[in-house]
Amino acid sequence: DSGVTQTPKHLITATGQRVTLRCSPRSGDLSVYWYQQSLDQGLQFLIQYYNGEERAKGNILERFSAQQFPDLHSELNLSSLELGDSALYFCASSVAPGAGETQYFGPGTRLLVL
Amino acid sequence: DAKTTQPTSMDCAEGRAANLPCNHSTISGNEYVYWYRQIHSQGPQYIIHGLKNNETNEMASLIITEDRKSSTLILPHATLRDTAVYYCIVRVAGWGSSNTGKLIFGQGTTLQVKP
Repeated sequence: DSGVTQTPKHLITATGQRVTLRCSPRSGDLSVYWYQQSLDQGLQFLIQYYNGEERAKGNILERFSAQQFPDLHSELNLSSLELGDSALYFCASSVAPGAGETQYFGPGTRLLVL
Repeated sequence: DAKTTQPTSMDCAEGRAANLPCNHSTISGNEYVYWYRQIHSQGPQYIIHGLKNNETNEMASLIITEDRKSSTLILPHATLRDTAVYYCIVRVAGWGSSNTGKLIFGQGTTLQVKP
């Protein structure tokens, strides 16, 4: 158990819908990362927050957005869902944003868009 | 971040040492070598990391060559539960504004531990 929690574990929805994925970082961690893992793309970095502020963006679609709240939990919002958005979404956390800090991953949310 | 090259797949007999190689010939002096693994769609699990010296923890050992252009992850006594995809990742150290710490995953090595 990494200490990072993600809800829900599974999500099934229809095209065009909007969903919210939630992540609680490990106690004491200020930085949160979101990653997407699809069959054809592998694990891809989406976005990072540090202490409530966006720090870096990766290959995140404009239909997707995220935020980190004052209690440091983070939410990833996916809207106008398409079939291709079906994937595993992982959240990771670290104490600080630097590359010397180890990231610990949550168990993921499996999203299926029908 | 430097690019890494890993074999696509490897087999290992249960109870034997598993040695997973990684080439990172363009690594810079301030880049760490990290290893993660992913067991069947679970969240990636941190294993070990190092900069220059060899490292050992309760999970594995990391051997980095003197020129730092390659490394080997060693699982001393592989078990069936070690069957997973192993990722070797090179990351720039430091807290600069341009250094986000994001992980760039390649395809990794699929390690199959056999009875």
